[in-house]
Amino acid sequence: DGGITQSPKYLFRKEGQNVTLSCEQNLNHDAMYWYRQDPGQGLRLIYYSQIVNDFQKGDIAEGYSVSREKKESFPLTVTSAQKNPTAFYLCASSINTQETQYFGPGTRLLVL
Amino acid sequence: KNEVEQSPQNLTAQEGEFITINCSYSVGISALHWLQQHPGGGIVSLFMLSSGKKKHGRLIATINIQEKHSSLHITASHPRDSAVYICAVMSTTSGSARQLTFGSGTQLTVLP
Repeated sequence: DGGITQSPKYLFRKEGQNVTLSCEQNLNHDAMYWYRQDPGQGLRLIYYSQIVNDFQKGDIAEGYSVSREKKESFPLTVTSAQKNPTAFYLCASSINTQETQYFGPGTRLLVL
Repeated sequence: KNEVEQSPQNLTAQEGEFITINCSYSVGISALHWLQQHPGGGIVSLFMLSSGKKKHGRLIATINIQEKHSSLHITASHPRDSAVYICAVMSTTSGSARQLTFGSGTQLTVLP
């Protein structure tokens, strides 16, 4: 089945640790995105990638890093520089940046 | 002021009622999306529209470009419609990849 997978579903981070969230798609989409969702707020764009080996900062990129070495994979690293990382993280992909985005199931990150 | 405003924030209805969720935006757009987020967090794209009206089953989405307003209607509502409904607009930003700006969502609860 085609789709987007994110792992893990829940992730716990200790203070000062970096953690990496996985996002994989087998839809052959060029564009991929990472969003953060906080209670009572709309989704906010962290990073996006229009094509493999390219990515751009979104509205809230500080404290995060990404890579796009393969078309199907767009991992997000939450670094220790991100002071308030507890949130729900959603990955999405689309054929290109002007088409409908398809979302993964999300990863909930909690800081211990 | 947020670029995308949804109303109401919360809505409780009895099964069978006709439901309307509103979305107003303040930027020029190329398309507007309606998304559905279930309690587990996964997001499903319901509609993408740039003019007029679209219908899928019991769901109807309309948009008025001149008034910068869209509505999502649910006919014969059912408890399984209970979810957060999110409006998102693709703004017409020149010289860059188009990005989505999200409303904060409307929590719909349909009681049996």
